[in-house]
Amino acid sequence: NAGVTQTPKFQVLKTGQSMTLQCAQDMNHNSMYWYRQDPGMGLRLIYYSASEGTTDKGEVPNGYNVSRLNKREFSLRLESAAPSQTSVYFCASSRIGLAEYEQYFGPGTRLTVT
Amino acid sequence: SQQGEEDPQALSIQEGENATMNCSYKTSINNLQWYRQNSGRGLVHLILIRSNEREKHSGRLRVTLDTSKKSSSLLITASRAADTASYFCASSGGSNYKLTFGKGTLLTVNP
Repeated sequence: NAGVTQTPKFQVLKTGQSMTLQCAQDMNHNSMYWYRQDPGMGLRLIYYSASEGTTDKGEVPNGYNVSRLNKREFSLRLESAAPSQTSVYFCASSRIGLAEYEQYFGPGTRLTVT
Repeated sequence: SQQGEEDPQALSIQEGENATMNCSYKTSINNLQWYRQNSGRGLVHLILIRSNEREKHSGRLRVTLDTSKKSSSLLITASRAADTASYFCASSGGSNYKLTFGKGTLLTVNP
């Protein structure tokens, strides 16, 4: 089992460019999440998908869109990147969409927007 | 705003010593979880304690929960250099679907 995988590992964008961060899990989990981690800020939830076919906003959704492509894959899109979106992005999954269950994290994508 | 706040922000100890990290939260919770993050890696789940539990053990880890004070502590006994990492608490904050993470405690264990 690979667990949660994310691509790419690193990315540099210019302001205004777009990109999609990919995430996949092979644990047959129903729920998936996207977080960003900034120095001194901890992790903040961007979007989550409680189950296939549903997505909901988290704490900091502005400037992002998501797609739950199927049960395995959950992508995060930046339509017009801004320097404020420079961060490390983590995808996570959990068995079901209840906070009673542990989340499994991917290795992260380090994004720099210049 | 962050639901959980860890204290201290940074902790440096010698190998073999115990390390204690604290977490405070603001609203009622269903459970509280602790995660570890090694530098440059994703988070790894350590332990979950439910709101009706007061103490839980897992190997060298001991977690306590005081719902009256809205606080939790994570104790790592007989620390090792490999325990060097950031430790985060995460709480449900009243939502069934979302965890809210604190800012973390950076633990350094010196050999």
